Amino acid sequence: AQKITQTQPGMFVQEKEAVTLDCTYDTSDPSYGLFWYKQPSSGEMIFLIYQGSYDQQNATEGRYSLNFQKARKSANLVISASQLGDSAMYFCAMRERDSSYKLIFGSGTRLLVRP
Amino acid sequence: NAGVMQNPRHLVRRRGQEARLRCSPMKGHSHVYWYRQLPEEGLKFMVYLQKENIIDESGMPKERFSAEFPKEGPSILRIQQVVRGDSAAYFCASSPRDEETQYFGPGTRLLVL
Repeated sequence: AQKITQTQPGMFVQEKEAVTLDCTYDTSDPSYGLFWYKQPSSGEMIFLIYQGSYDQQNATEGRYSLNFQKARKSANLVISASQLGDSAMYFCAMRERDSSYKLIFGSGTRLLVRP
Repeated sequence: NAGVMQNPRHLVRRRGQEARLRCSPMKGHSHVYWYRQLPEEGLKFMVYLQKENIIDESGMPKERFSAEFPKEGPSILRIQQVVRGDSAAYFCASSPRDEETQYFGPGTRLLVL
């Protein structure tokens, strides 16, 4: 079974609007972390936001927020007020305590922001 | 504070040659992870190292690939007798402790002709 699933290969959003990128995960480890990374066309991996499995509140970092629904095993990324520079690949990743903390990545979602 | 450094950024090798990829973690980080990204795919874990120790190499191919993180100097990912299927982007990430966020380097793009 896939550990991390991103079901949206590509998404469009109008500049200044909000967009939600979906991510579901599968784990039996009670202690885990969820991450979102951005990969622009230049290729580097940029850390955006982190949510721990025991965190009570949804994580937020500027225009990024993580909609964490533990019972549904989903960790969707919400980008508010989209900008042209947000056009990139977005990867959801999970880290499990019992798996040496290595990151397991989803297949990614390509976001294109329209002017 | 400089970020994670990787060199070279681009590497071209012919089949059968050796490739050496270097990663210098962020200052104060003693945990290094290597990942591989094939075109249009997500990153796949290869190996996790701490200074002088391999902690988890479950994602590393059994043959031709090796990694080290010596007491002094960068972490090295070594691929012997490269084949075309080794063409990929190789990313290194570092963290101060295993439960902390991993920060990635810019990657090394390996092309095998």
